[in-house]
Amino acid sequence: DTGVSQDPRHKITKRGQNVTFRCDPISEHNRLYWYRQTLGQGPEFLTYFQNEAQLEKSRLLSDRFSAERPKGSFSTLEIQRTEQGDSAMYLCASSPRLAGGQYEQYFGPGTRLTVT
Amino acid sequence: AQKITQTQPGMFVQEKEAVTLDCTYDTSDPSYGLFWYKQPSSGEMIFLIYQGSYDQQNATEGRYSLNFQKARKSANLVISASQLGDSAMYFCAMREVTGNQFYFGTGTSLTVIP
Repeated sequence: DTGVSQDPRHKITKRGQNVTFRCDPISEHNRLYWYRQTLGQGPEFLTYFQNEAQLEKSRLLSDRFSAERPKGSFSTLEIQRTEQGDSAMYLCASSPRLAGGQYEQYFGPGTRLTVT
Repeated sequence: AQKITQTQPGMFVQEKEAVTLDCTYDTSDPSYGLFWYKQPSSGEMIFLIYQGSYDQQNATEGRYSLNFQKARKSANLVISASQLGDSAMYFCAMREVTGNQFYFGTGTSLTVIP
């Protein structure tokens, strides 16, 4: 399987605990995105990496959220001191750069987080 | 202001008929890209079609076509010959060339009736 993979697929945690999610992009893709999707909504941008550099981070992103992409390969998203409002699907996407500036994103299956 | 607006929370279409899903966008960038994604109940986001702001012709991909009206800032998705497997959420998205973010709408739930 050469698609985007995410681990774990589901995570249940108690309020106040820290959680970490992993994303493995398609190997030749240098761009990686994290999104959060709540029920009935579209994906909401969280952060963006080009290779290992985190180039953009949503202003809506709490300081409890941090993301890394060491060596420009896989990425991790950590949420510290989880709150019930963090319950959502966390999506990872990767993309190559195509001619003319066009590039679509390829999404992983997501990690569903439930904070109790 | 919302970057992407999808005003149809839910749509129904008879199998084998065509359906149009609406999308309007807001940007002051002269260069941008518009995308449509499908999200079945299983949850994965599937890329369907892309339209660049400078493309002269409407994009087509199999049974999907994008009705791009630049002056109206609309990028409607047309699905021809609907199939039962087309039942899903559909999201319109935009990326401005000056930025890296993709902005998504709230989606339209399409149900194909046999």
